[in-house]
Amino acid sequence: GAGVSQSPSNKVTEKGKDVELRCDPISGHTALYWYRQSLGQGLEFLIYFQGNSAPDKSGLPSDRFSAERTGGSVSTLTIQRTQQEDSAVYLCASSPVSSGTDTQYFGPGTRLTVL
Amino acid sequence: GESVGLHLPTLSVQEGDNSIINCAYSNSASDYFIWYKQESGKGPQFIIDIRSNMDKRQGQRVTVLLNKTVKHLSLQIAATQPGDSAVYFCAENIGDTGRRALTFGSGTRLQVQP
Repeated sequence: GAGVSQSPSNKVTEKGKDVELRCDPISGHTALYWYRQSLGQGLEFLIYFQGNSAPDKSGLPSDRFSAERTGGSVSTLTIQRTQQEDSAVYLCASSPVSSGTDTQYFGPGTRLTVL
Repeated sequence: GESVGLHLPTLSVQEGDNSIINCAYSNSASDYFIWYKQESGKGPQFIIDIRSNMDKRQGQRVTVLLNKTVKHLSLQIAATQPGDSAVYFCAENIGDTGRRALTFGSGTRLQVQP
């Protein structure tokens, strides 16, 4: 079946512009995660959605970052007034249930470059 | 985990040899661990997982060992192949707390020489 998909695969933007990154999780997966991966580094948690519960936003680095998940499926990560330090690969993952012990399946990521 | 920036630890092995990739974790409350493989330009791919009530788990050509006493995790790859070349991340999770996300280590680059 289809895996997690993300779009766009690459995004180049100018400093100060807003960007939206999209994630389509695996059908039926109730949990959705956003991570950020800077060059040569591990993954940094950003935000977690589970069903209709309030999202866990504890990893968002600033109030310029926000995310929503519509209808319990597709999610959009928005970065306002982008800065050069926002340049990274943004990865989305989904898992079938709410427990943190279930495997997370990752999409290919969106590479964001802020000039 | 700590960041090593662009200078990931690198393990270089010959094709056919066994590889051992190590990971130290810091949270003694972590009860679930996963190894991911990440090839260039792709998202992390699940390899194998282990829960804290186990100390060893085997998959196809891979074995994960967990030593909770010293908070150490290792991934063993048997008969390493060129297709195994990638960056390998360990990740940990405390399953039943409010924080559901995985905490990732900084990664190890595996280079397989033909």
